[in-house]
Amino acid sequence: NAGVTQTPKFQVLKTGQSMTLQCAQDMNHNSMYWYRQDPGMGLRLIYYSASEGTTDKGEVPNGYNVSRLNKREFSLRLESAAPSQTSVYFCASNNRGGDEKLFFGSGTQLSVL
Amino acid sequence: SQQGEEDPQALSIQEGENATMNCSYKTSINNLQWYRQNSGRGLVHLILIRSNEREKHSGRLRVTLDTSKKSSSLLITASRAADTASYFCATDRNQFYFGTGTSLTVIP
Repeated sequence: NAGVTQTPKFQVLKTGQSMTLQCAQDMNHNSMYWYRQDPGMGLRLIYYSASEGTTDKGEVPNGYNVSRLNKREFSLRLESAAPSQTSVYFCASNNRGGDEKLFFGSGTQLSVL
Repeated sequence: SQQGEEDPQALSIQEGENATMNCSYKTSINNLQWYRQNSGRGLVHLILIRSNEREKHSGRLRVTLDTSKKSSSLLITASRAADTASYFCATDRNQFYFGTGTSLTVIP
């Protein structure tokens, strides 16, 4: 099993550019999440999708949009990247109502210049 | 912030010693989980303790939960160099809120 797959692993953007981070899971999980990790801040929830067809804001949603394309895929879009969005982004999924534990992708390191 | 707080921020011990890290949080929870992150990698689930449990064991890991004090501790016994990583607590209150982490270094 691949688990949670994120692409790309690294990306450099210029301020104002847009991009989409892709995430796919093959564990038939109902819930998916996007986090950002900054030094000294731990992980902060950007958006989550409790089930296919639903999305909700987390702690730090400003500047981001998401799409739950189907049960497997959950994408994160930066419409106009800003230097403050330089971070490491993690996608995660779990079976809400089941064993609850989160499975994480390997992360996307994003730099906005 | 709705994050938990881990304590200490950094911990350095000799191989074979025990490592204890603590997590405090602010509101009621459904469960609390601990995760490990090796440098440059994603987080890996270690153990989950539900709000009605007080202690749980898994191999060399022991987790306690005190809901009256809103705190949890993770004990790693007989540490190994391979345990070197960052450890995070995550509180489950409909969403998962992560702490800022404890960086553990185990010296061979």
